[in-house]
Amino acid sequence: GDSVTQMEGPVTLSEEAFLTINCTYTATGYPSLFWYVQYPGEGLQLLLKATKADDKGSNKGFEATYRKETTSFHLEKGSVQVSDSAVYFCALRVGYSTLTFGKGTMLLVSP
Amino acid sequence: DAGVTQSPTHLIKTRGQQVTLRCSPKSGHDTVSWYQQALGQGPQFIFQYYEEEERQRGNFPDRFSGHQFPNYSSELNVNALLLGDSALYLCASSRRGSDYGYTFGSGTRLTVV
Repeated sequence: GDSVTQMEGPVTLSEEAFLTINCTYTATGYPSLFWYVQYPGEGLQLLLKATKADDKGSNKGFEATYRKETTSFHLEKGSVQVSDSAVYFCALRVGYSTLTFGKGTMLLVSP
Repeated sequence: DAGVTQSPTHLIKTRGQQVTLRCSPKSGHDTVSWYQQALGQGPQFIFQYYEEEERQRGNFPDRFSGHQFPNYSSELNVNALLLGDSALYLCASSRRGSDYGYTFGSGTRLTVV
């Protein structure tokens, strides 16, 4: 079946540090890939997505590149802010199937 | 443009009781999916409704059932509640055949005591 594996958290960084959250996947077909963010007490918000190999999704300074050869979709940001503190979920979807999520990675950014 | 609306936001129930959670999808969306998110975990897929029929189902018992109405809104029903059903229940809407994006609601926090 389909699955997503994320690096375990929490990831603790100082403001303006570089962020990488690793995500790898296995899929029965050709997936679309997503990063969602969840702030405390809230639902999930779509952060970025990529629908085919070598696509780069980007939003709010975050980026992730769809790497088919390594089945990865790592999330990066050059300079994190305190307001980026949240839980980040990597997810995939094949065709009309539902979203399959990783377990999430908590990011804590200190001033 | 209203996004996905879920009600209630919080709920406390006793073991053995039944609960109904409600979801109104984003305007223009016709598909509703329900997820259960236990504390510290990723969302787990319960089921998906399209054209008023359950189209896909995750690994959840028959105690979990749902419905979709002609206006695309949806309900999630859970019977014979267990302590382990305590979780955040998320509704997500999408438009079939679109760019695969889901819009999530803020969820209903269910506590079973």
